[in-house]
Amino acid sequence: EAGVAQSPRYKIIEKRQSVAFWCNPISGHATLYWYQQILGQGPKLLIQFQNNGVVDDSQLPKDRFSAERLKGVDSTLKIQPAKLEDSAVYLCASSLRLSGGYTFGSGTRLTVV
Amino acid sequence: SQELEQSPQSLIVQEGKNLTINCTSSKTLYGLYWYKQKYGEGLIFLMMLQKGGEEKSHEKITAKLDEKKQQSSLHITASQPSHAGIYLCGADIGYGGSQGNLIFGKGTKLSVKP
Repeated sequence: EAGVAQSPRYKIIEKRQSVAFWCNPISGHATLYWYQQILGQGPKLLIQFQNNGVVDDSQLPKDRFSAERLKGVDSTLKIQPAKLEDSAVYLCASSLRLSGGYTFGSGTRLTVV
Repeated sequence: SQELEQSPQSLIVQEGKNLTINCTSSKTLYGLYWYKQKYGEGLIFLMMLQKGGEEKSHEKITAKLDEKKQQSSLHITASQPSHAGIYLCGADIGYGGSQGNLIFGKGTKLSVKP
């Protein structure tokens, strides 16, 4: 079974620029998650989708972050404009059902300079 | 406050030594996951525990969930350089109809000296 695919693997941008990350979950996985992991910290949930609906986005900084999951498959996470504190690894995960069986992608390492 | 506390924060062991990493929650755990991570990369699933008293092993790694389901330990026997990395515990602490998302500890950085 193919894993969770993320791109790009690395991204360096200047502050105030925009950036987008892409995630393709495991086929058939209805639930998709975006996590932000700052260096030295554990991953923190940004947003959770169930099919193409949002289940939880309470920790998403909505003034600059947005995410969508059109057609309930692929998802994109966007930051506009980026700040220095957004430097982190952005992890996408998917699961077959609402709880359990989480598989993580390789992550996108974002550096904002 | 951190809902999941991991200890120690970092660990340096000599190759061949045993070690234990702990994960403690202030709330009942409905599912406890252990992951391994290389710096700046994705999470590799190790084990999942759900039942109080449950214990699982894979190769030289054993994980346990205590009876009260508020603490888990990860034990590595005869450590090898390949065990080096960051170990993260993740937990589903939702009640009943959990939304299913995980919260994580800050991780334990393990270094193994050859």
